[in-house]
Amino acid sequence: RKEVEQDPGPFNVPEGATVAFNCTYSNSASQSFFWYRQDCRKEPKLLMSVYSSGNEDGRFTAQLNRASQYISLLIRDSKLSDSATYLCVVNPFTGNQFYFGTGTSLTVIP
Amino acid sequence: DTAVSQTPKYLVTQMGNDKSIKCEQNLGHDTMYWYKQDSKKFLKIMFSYNNKELIINETVPNRFSPKSPDKAHLNLHINSLELGDSAVYFCASSPGTRDTGELFFGEGSRLTVL
Repeated sequence: RKEVEQDPGPFNVPEGATVAFNCTYSNSASQSFFWYRQDCRKEPKLLMSVYSSGNEDGRFTAQLNRASQYISLLIRDSKLSDSATYLCVVNPFTGNQFYFGTGTSLTVIP
Repeated sequence: DTAVSQTPKYLVTQMGNDKSIKCEQNLGHDTMYWYKQDSKKFLKIMFSYNNKELIINETVPNRFSPKSPDKAHLNLHINSLELGDSAVYFCASSPGTRDTGELFFGEGSRLTVL
């Protein structure tokens, strides 16, 4: 079983839509969680950390459900510039290894 | 100032050759990594070093040998290159093993083996 699983998509949504991505992780002792964004032919960059109480950054909301070992990312009012691959990342805090999901591809259509 | 820099950005070579990729970070981080991103875009960890000491060595062929001369540098040498080694190799750094802070990536080195 993979450490982190996510739906690869692709998700094709119109501008202004709300879209949600989900991710599950296998290690119940995992300590920290992140969403990264990767543009085509670029390196991954941190979009936001995910906190236990949930957190919001502008149009982006991240949620963590430890009981279900589930992380989500909600993007409201999608912009063309949101088109990218979104990577779910989990750190089990054993040797500081970061596990990546396969990524979910999002295309926002005019 | 680039925080994590790796060279070369592009590498095209023949099967059987030996090549190296270099990585340097100026963030003062203790931990550095090599990740491989294959054609299916999956990012898989290869190695992790903490303050020059190897702490993670995933199931990677012996042909891959990392070297960390100091905590700001982590190089990757690959012997006897094979077609399946074609991928983008990302170097990354993070504050340390006791810190669950974010990963900072270099721009990637795209290796093509012919």
